[in-house]
Amino acid sequence: QKEVEQDPGPLSVPEGAIVSLNCTYSNSAFQYFMWYRQYSRKGPELLMYTYSSGNKEDGRFTAQVDKSSKYISLFIRDSQPSDSATYLCAMSAYSGAGSYQLTFGKGTKLSVIP
Amino acid sequence: ETGVTQTPRHLVMGMTNKKSLKCEQHLGHNAMYWYKQSAKKPLELMFVYNFKEQTENNSVPSRFSPECPNSSHLFLHLHTLQPEDSALYLCASSQNRVTEAFFGQGTRLTVV
Repeated sequence: QKEVEQDPGPLSVPEGAIVSLNCTYSNSAFQYFMWYRQYSRKGPELLMYTYSSGNKEDGRFTAQVDKSSKYISLFIRDSQPSDSATYLCAMSAYSGAGSYQLTFGKGTKLSVIP
Repeated sequence: ETGVTQTPRHLVMGMTNKKSLKCEQHLGHNAMYWYKQSAKKPLELMFVYNFKEQTENNSVPSRFSPECPNSSHLFLHLHTLQPEDSALYLCASSQNRVTEAFFGQGTRLTVV
């Protein structure tokens, strides 16, 4: 079983829809959870960063972590065409000597249709 | 404007060529990374430098050779690459090798 599983999509939704993106993981040592957004021909940019189980909201974006189920989600409300991108989940575990090991999902390609 | 700058943005090289990728970060971070991004695969961590010292080499073939002259600059020297090495090579930096990393725009490498 891969450490981080993410459905690669592609996912296509109409403008204004609520989008749900998900990742599951197997390593219970993961402590920090991130979502990156990657536009075509660009590097990933950090979108959301969470530590504990629960929800974190930032504008139209909500990150949800359920450590008991080893499941994280990113919700996008009122989706816009500018949200069309690949979304990568990432999570990190302490690997010793003050360092963390960051592991990425494969990414989900999202298209928001006007 | 990203705090991590990579050059060149695109590179086409033959299998016998030698080239170098450059990364510069303006964020004051002390950890820098090289990642490889291939189609339909997760981001693969290649090398980690912490305070200019290489702390990780994830079984990367010797045809990839990193260099970190200072905390702000990172190079990836390439020689005798294979077509399967064609990918997007991303540089990233973070503070104290902690959680989140900040990425550059990447170099799209094509080996012919």
